[in-house]
Amino acid sequence: GQSLEQPSEVTAVEGAIVQINCTYQTSGFYGLSWYQQHDGGAPTFLSYNALDGLEETGRFSSFLSRSDSYGYLLLQELQMKDSASYFCASHSGGYQKVTFGIGTKLQVIP
Amino acid sequence: GAGVSQSPSNKVTEKGKDVELRCDPISGHTALYWYRQSLGQGLEFLIYFQGNSAPDKSGLPSDRFSAERTGGSVSTLTIQRTQQEDSAVYLCASNLGVMVEGETQYFGPGTRLLVL
Repeated sequence: GQSLEQPSEVTAVEGAIVQINCTYQTSGFYGLSWYQQHDGGAPTFLSYNALDGLEETGRFSSFLSRSDSYGYLLLQELQMKDSASYFCASHSGGYQKVTFGIGTKLQVIP
Repeated sequence: GAGVSQSPSNKVTEKGKDVELRCDPISGHTALYWYRQSLGQGLEFLIYFQGNSAPDKSGLPSDRFSAERTGGSVSTLTIQRTQQEDSAVYLCASNLGVMVEGETQYFGPGTRLLVL
């Protein structure tokens, strides 16, 4: 089976750094993705990790440790517009089945 | 258009009625996915299409739910005899489906279904 765990809510201050953790139990694991979803909007892709280590894309970075079945999304220089839900998603299976976590609601406060 | 489109954007129906939700994927995308998202919840996988075939229907919650895809393009998700617990946002996503590792899924805006 497939399951992912991430915190339900996180609050951080504008300009600060926040880390959103994700642990997974996925058979046939390929990699871990992160998606952002604003209220009322569709999920949009942020990053993907297949190998251990850190991937950096602007203010966002994502990390994966396959041995620990663990990853995180790091958001730097937080802006108010970063307030959204962030989903980790595991990729598995021959056709790249994607299983999403429940999402972490990030609130950025002034 | 350039992105995934879904229709209708909102649907209100009475319990027991049938509904059809439509998804137009990005042109050339062979893989198409349906998800359901209840208020404040994550994305629940429903079904996956590769071309017109559905190799994985494991997420369909009951036999009231069915989906088809024609011409390798448009897909329709049908819910028969709707129940109040079917109320949710139904999201469609597509990608090239060539098993490029970590390939992005492109999501449509969703259909918000409310069953009264």
